[in-house]
Amino acid sequence: KNQVEQSPQSLIILEGKNCTLQCNYTVSPFSNLRWYKQDTGRGPVSLTIMTFSENTKSNGRYTATLDADTKQSSLHITASQLSDSASYICVVSQNNDMRFGAGTRLTVKP
Amino acid sequence: AAGVIQSPRHLIKEKRETATLKCYPIPRHDTVYWYQQGPGQDPQFLISFYEKMQSDKGSIPDRFSAQQFSDYHSELNMSSLELGDSALYFCASSLMAANTGELFFGEGSRLTVL
Repeated sequence: KNQVEQSPQSLIILEGKNCTLQCNYTVSPFSNLRWYKQDTGRGPVSLTIMTFSENTKSNGRYTATLDADTKQSSLHITASQLSDSASYICVVSQNNDMRFGAGTRLTVKP
Repeated sequence: AAGVIQSPRHLIKEKRETATLKCYPIPRHDTVYWYQQGPGQDPQFLISFYEKMQSDKGSIPDRFSAQQFSDYHSELNMSSLELGDSALYFCASSLMAANTGELFFGEGSRLTVL
């Protein structure tokens, strides 16, 4: 069983709408949690990184939250744009190791 | 179910030596990504391949080269190794045609350069 579970697997929304992606993890101990955006065939781009003591971090229209007690994180995208269409990957670090989620594929339609 | 297989899992080399890492994607997957993660650092995207052709290039040093073979497995060749090349190298695969963007990562190959 994957230690990092993301949901939904895929999501289609209309341009301008908001959406929330979920990441649940069982990794312990926990160092930090990152959200990445990866365009198809391209490399990942870091959106946010949060440590155990942080519960929210914003980067423009992206806001990540973290509940270390329930081991859940979410990535909220506001006022979506066509260019937001990509995979969003949750990565949880455990000391020097990383555990990757499978990603959520977001498609933004006009 | 078959996952992404990386080999070797651990590798120790001396400076100026060469090393080759292999990645076997999930069967039928046509896209492979390589990442490098140094100690305490973010993973760095190195290079990706789609249908045996390079699709994107990241921060891959000139001393490194990679290719994807006809059976879709990929190899990352590293020459003139430096101490700073010590890192965990991840490979991920996906099926471009599925358009789900779902990535499957291998366990990584840990390279130590002495």
